[in-house]
Amino acid sequence: EVQLLESGGGLGQPGGSLRLSCAASGVTFSSYAMSWVRQAPGKGLEWVSAISGNGGTTYYADSVKGRFTISRDNSKNTLYLQLNGLRAEDTAIYFCAKDPIAVAYGAFDMWGQGTMVTVSS
Amino acid sequence: DIQMTQSPSSLSASVGDRITITCQASHNINNYLNWYQQKPGKGPKLLIYEASNLETGVPSRFSGRGSGTDFTFTISSLQPEDVATYYCQHYDHLPYTFGQGSKLEIK
Repeated sequence: EVQLLESGGGLGQPGGSLRLSCAASGVTFSSYAMSWVRQAPGKGLEWVSAISGNGGTTYYADSVKGRFTISRDNSKNTLYLQLNGLRAEDTAIYFCAKDPIAVAYGAFDMWGQGTMVTVSS
Repeated sequence: DIQMTQSPSSLSASVGDRITITCQASHNINNYLNWYQQKPGKGPKLLIYEASNLETGVPSRFSGRGSGTDFTFTISSLQPEDVATYYCQHYDHLPYTFGQGSKLEIK
Protein backbone atom coordinates (compact mmCIF):
# COMPACT_ATOMS: atom_id res chain seq x y z
CA GLU A 1 0.00 0.00 0.00
CA VAL A 2 1.35 3.40 -0.99
CA GLN A 3 1.66 5.80 1.92
CA LEU A 4 2.95 9.35 2.20
CA LEU A 5 3.67 10.77 5.64
CA GLU A 6 4.56 14.42 6.13
CA SER A 7 6.41 15.83 9.13
CA GLY A 8 8.33 18.90 10.20
CA GLY A 9 5.52 21.41 10.52
CA GLY A 10 5.15 23.69 13.48
CA LEU A 11 5.46 27.30 14.55
CA GLY A 12 7.86 29.46 12.59
CA GLN A 13 8.73 33.10 13.09
CA PRO A 14 8.33 35.67 10.32
CA GLY A 15 11.56 35.61 8.37
CA GLY A 16 12.46 32.25 9.85
CA SER A 17 12.89 28.76 8.40
CA LEU A 18 11.34 25.32 8.59
CA ARG A 19 12.06 22.06 6.79
CA LEU A 20 9.25 19.73 5.85
CA SER A 21 9.69 16.04 5.04
CA CYS A 22 7.48 13.51 3.26
CA ALA A 23 8.35 9.84 3.72
CA ALA A 24 7.06 7.48 1.05
CA SER A 25 6.46 3.76 1.43
CA GLY A 26 5.03 1.02 -0.77
CA VAL A 27 6.24 2.67 -3.97
CA THR A 28 9.38 2.85 -6.14
CA PHE A 29 9.89 6.44 -5.09
CA SER A 30 12.38 7.48 -7.77
CA SER A 31 9.89 6.55 -10.53
CA TYR A 32 7.55 9.38 -9.70
CA ALA A 33 7.60 13.14 -9.68
CA MET A 34 6.35 14.74 -6.48
CA SER A 35 4.74 18.02 -5.51
CA TRP A 36 3.92 20.08 -2.46
CA VAL A 37 0.42 21.58 -2.27
CA ARG A 38 -0.76 23.81 0.57
CA GLN A 39 -4.10 24.77 2.05
CA ALA A 40 -4.51 27.87 4.20
CA PRO A 41 -6.93 27.42 7.13
CA GLY A 42 -10.46 27.10 5.80
CA LYS A 43 -9.31 27.86 2.25
CA GLY A 44 -8.71 26.05 -1.03
CA LEU A 45 -5.70 24.27 -2.45
CA GLU A 46 -2.58 25.96 -3.87
CA TRP A 47 0.16 24.11 -5.76
CA VAL A 48 3.56 25.15 -4.36
CA SER A 49 6.39 23.19 -5.97
CA ALA A 50 7.23 20.08 -8.00
CA ILE A 51 10.30 17.92 -8.57
CA SER A 52 11.03 15.22 -11.15
CA GLY A 53 11.69 11.62 -10.17
CA ASN A 54 15.46 11.94 -10.44
CA GLY A 55 15.47 15.34 -8.73
CA GLY A 56 16.99 17.06 -11.74
CA THR A 57 14.09 19.40 -12.52
CA THR A 58 12.23 21.62 -10.09
CA TYR A 59 9.35 24.07 -10.40
CA TYR A 60 7.92 26.70 -8.06
CA ALA A 61 4.86 28.86 -7.73
CA ASP A 62 5.66 32.57 -8.02
CA SER A 63 4.46 33.05 -4.42
CA VAL A 64 7.35 30.96 -3.05
CA LYS A 65 10.06 31.29 -5.71
CA GLY A 66 13.36 32.31 -4.18
CA ARG A 67 12.22 31.42 -0.65
CA PHE A 68 11.32 27.71 -0.78
CA THR A 69 13.49 24.84 -2.05
CA ILE A 70 12.20 21.40 -3.00
CA SER A 71 14.52 18.40 -2.96
CA ARG A 72 14.42 14.63 -2.60
CA ASP A 73 16.63 11.79 -1.39
CA ASN A 74 15.62 8.71 -3.36
CA SER A 75 17.88 6.49 -1.23
CA LYS A 76 15.70 7.43 1.76
CA ASN A 77 12.37 7.59 -0.16
CA THR A 78 11.92 11.10 1.20
CA LEU A 79 10.80 14.42 -0.25
CA TYR A 80 11.72 17.73 1.36
CA LEU A 81 10.59 21.34 1.30
CA GLN A 82 12.90 23.96 2.83
CA LEU A 83 10.92 27.04 3.79
CA ASN A 84 12.97 30.20 4.23
CA GLY A 85 11.88 33.81 4.67
CA LEU A 86 8.60 32.73 6.20
CA ARG A 87 5.62 35.06 5.90
CA ALA A 88 2.23 35.06 7.63
CA GLU A 89 0.62 34.06 4.32
CA ASP A 90 2.66 30.83 4.33
CA THR A 91 0.49 29.59 7.21
CA ALA A 92 -1.18 26.46 5.84
CA ILE A 93 -1.37 22.69 5.87
CA TYR A 94 1.30 21.39 3.51
CA PHE A 95 0.54 18.18 1.61
CA CYS A 96 2.93 16.11 -0.44
CA ALA A 97 1.38 14.58 -3.55
CA LYS A 98 2.57 11.93 -5.98
CA ASP A 99 2.45 12.11 -9.77
CA PRO A 100 1.81 8.95 -11.82
CA ILE A 101 5.02 9.35 -13.85
CA ALA A 102 8.60 10.53 -13.37
CA VAL A 103 8.11 13.99 -14.85
CA ALA A 104 5.89 16.70 -13.39
CA TYR A 105 2.41 15.92 -14.75
CA GLY A 106 -0.15 17.19 -12.23
CA ALA A 107 -2.58 14.29 -11.82
CA PHE A 108 -1.89 13.59 -8.16
CA ASP A 109 -2.94 10.02 -7.47
CA MET A 110 -1.77 9.87 -3.86
CA TRP A 111 -1.63 12.49 -1.11
CA GLY A 112 -0.36 12.55 2.43
CA GLN A 113 -2.35 13.70 5.46
CA GLY A 114 -0.53 17.01 5.64
CA THR A 115 1.61 18.90 8.17
CA MET A 116 0.59 22.26 9.60
CA VAL A 117 2.86 25.30 9.34
CA THR A 118 1.99 28.37 11.37
CA VAL A 119 3.94 31.59 10.89
CA SER A 120 3.57 33.97 13.79
CA SER A 121 5.69 36.00 16.20
CA ASP B 1 -2.09 31.72 -14.62
CA ILE B 2 -5.30 29.92 -15.50
CA GLN B 3 -8.23 30.74 -13.24
CA MET B 4 -10.59 27.91 -12.34
CA THR B 5 -14.12 29.02 -11.43
CA GLN B 6 -16.09 26.34 -9.63
CA SER B 7 -19.77 26.40 -8.65
CA PRO B 8 -21.68 26.10 -6.49
CA SER B 9 -19.48 26.79 -3.48
CA SER B 10 -21.82 24.74 -1.33
CA LEU B 11 -24.77 22.45 -1.88
CA SER B 12 -27.11 20.26 0.11
CA ALA B 13 -28.88 17.22 -1.29
CA SER B 14 -30.66 14.07 -0.18
CA VAL B 15 -29.37 10.52 -0.31
CA GLY B 16 -30.07 9.14 -3.77
CA ASP B 17 -30.10 12.55 -5.46
CA ARG B 18 -28.10 13.38 -8.57
CA ILE B 19 -25.77 16.33 -8.05
CA THR B 20 -23.64 18.28 -10.50
CA ILE B 21 -20.73 20.66 -9.96
CA THR B 22 -19.36 22.88 -12.71
CA CYS B 23 -15.84 24.14 -13.32
CA GLN B 24 -14.84 26.75 -15.88
CA ALA B 25 -11.26 27.47 -16.94
CA SER B 26 -10.19 30.95 -18.01
CA HIS B 27 -8.39 29.44 -21.04
CA ASN B 28 -8.50 26.19 -22.99
CA ILE B 29 -6.94 23.44 -20.86
CA ASN B 30 -7.15 20.64 -23.43
CA ASN B 31 -9.11 18.32 -21.09
CA TYR B 32 -6.29 18.27 -18.52
CA LEU B 33 -8.76 18.51 -15.67
CA ASN B 34 -8.92 16.53 -12.44
CA TRP B 35 -11.62 16.20 -9.79
CA TYR B 36 -10.69 15.52 -6.16
CA GLN B 37 -12.66 14.69 -3.03
CA GLN B 38 -11.42 16.00 0.32
CA LYS B 39 -12.85 14.92 3.66
CA PRO B 40 -12.10 16.85 6.88
CA GLY B 41 -8.60 16.27 8.21
CA LYS B 42 -7.52 14.30 5.14
CA GLY B 43 -5.56 14.90 1.98
CA PRO B 44 -7.51 15.06 -1.28
CA LYS B 45 -8.35 11.89 -3.20
CA LEU B 46 -8.22 11.77 -6.99
CA LEU B 47 -11.59 10.72 -8.45
CA ILE B 48 -11.49 11.78 -12.11
CA TYR B 49 -8.51 12.57 -14.36
CA GLU B 50 -8.32 13.98 -17.89
CA ALA B 51 -11.87 15.32 -17.48
CA SER B 52 -13.73 12.03 -17.75
CA ASN B 53 -11.53 9.09 -16.71
CA LEU B 54 -12.46 7.33 -13.48
CA GLU B 55 -9.50 6.64 -11.21
CA THR B 56 -9.04 2.98 -10.32
CA GLY B 57 -11.20 1.91 -7.38
CA VAL B 58 -13.52 4.92 -7.50
CA PRO B 59 -17.24 4.03 -7.55
CA SER B 60 -19.01 4.37 -10.89
CA ARG B 61 -21.59 6.81 -9.47
CA PHE B 62 -18.89 9.47 -9.94
CA SER B 63 -18.39 10.85 -13.44
CA GLY B 64 -16.94 13.82 -15.27
CA ARG B 65 -17.33 15.36 -18.67
CA GLY B 66 -16.47 18.43 -20.64
CA SER B 67 -13.75 19.83 -22.86
CA GLY B 68 -11.84 23.01 -23.54
CA THR B 69 -12.97 25.39 -20.81
CA ASP B 70 -16.24 23.97 -19.44
CA PHE B 71 -16.45 20.87 -17.27
CA THR B 72 -18.94 19.11 -15.04
CA PHE B 73 -18.69 16.57 -12.22
CA THR B 74 -21.68 14.41 -11.34
CA ILE B 75 -22.61 12.01 -8.57
CA SER B 76 -25.47 9.96 -9.98
CA SER B 77 -26.90 8.74 -6.65
CA LEU B 78 -25.63 10.55 -3.57
CA GLN B 79 -24.46 8.37 -0.67
CA PRO B 80 -23.85 9.44 2.96
CA GLU B 81 -20.10 8.81 2.58
CA ASP B 82 -19.94 11.37 -0.25
CA VAL B 83 -20.10 14.26 2.24
CA ALA B 84 -16.90 16.16 1.42
CA THR B 85 -15.49 19.14 -0.43
CA TYR B 86 -14.83 18.63 -4.13
CA TYR B 87 -12.16 20.47 -6.12
CA CYS B 88 -11.39 20.74 -9.81
CA GLN B 89 -7.76 21.28 -10.87
CA HIS B 90 -6.16 21.91 -14.27
CA TYR B 91 -2.82 20.38 -15.23
CA ASP B 92 -2.43 21.68 -18.77
CA HIS B 93 0.76 23.51 -17.75
CA LEU B 94 2.42 24.91 -14.67
CA PRO B 95 1.35 26.41 -12.40
CA TYR B 96 -1.46 23.96 -11.72
CA THR B 97 -4.45 25.75 -10.22
CA PHE B 98 -7.53 24.59 -8.34
CA GLY B 99 -11.13 25.70 -8.16
CA GLN B 100 -12.25 27.19 -4.87
CA GLY B 101 -14.10 24.02 -3.86
CA SER B 102 -17.70 22.84 -3.52
CA LYS B 103 -18.80 21.70 -0.07
CA LEU B 104 -21.39 18.95 -0.29
CA GLU B 105 -23.72 18.17 2.61
CA ILE B 106 -26.59 15.74 3.13
CA LYS B 107 -30.05 17.15 3.84
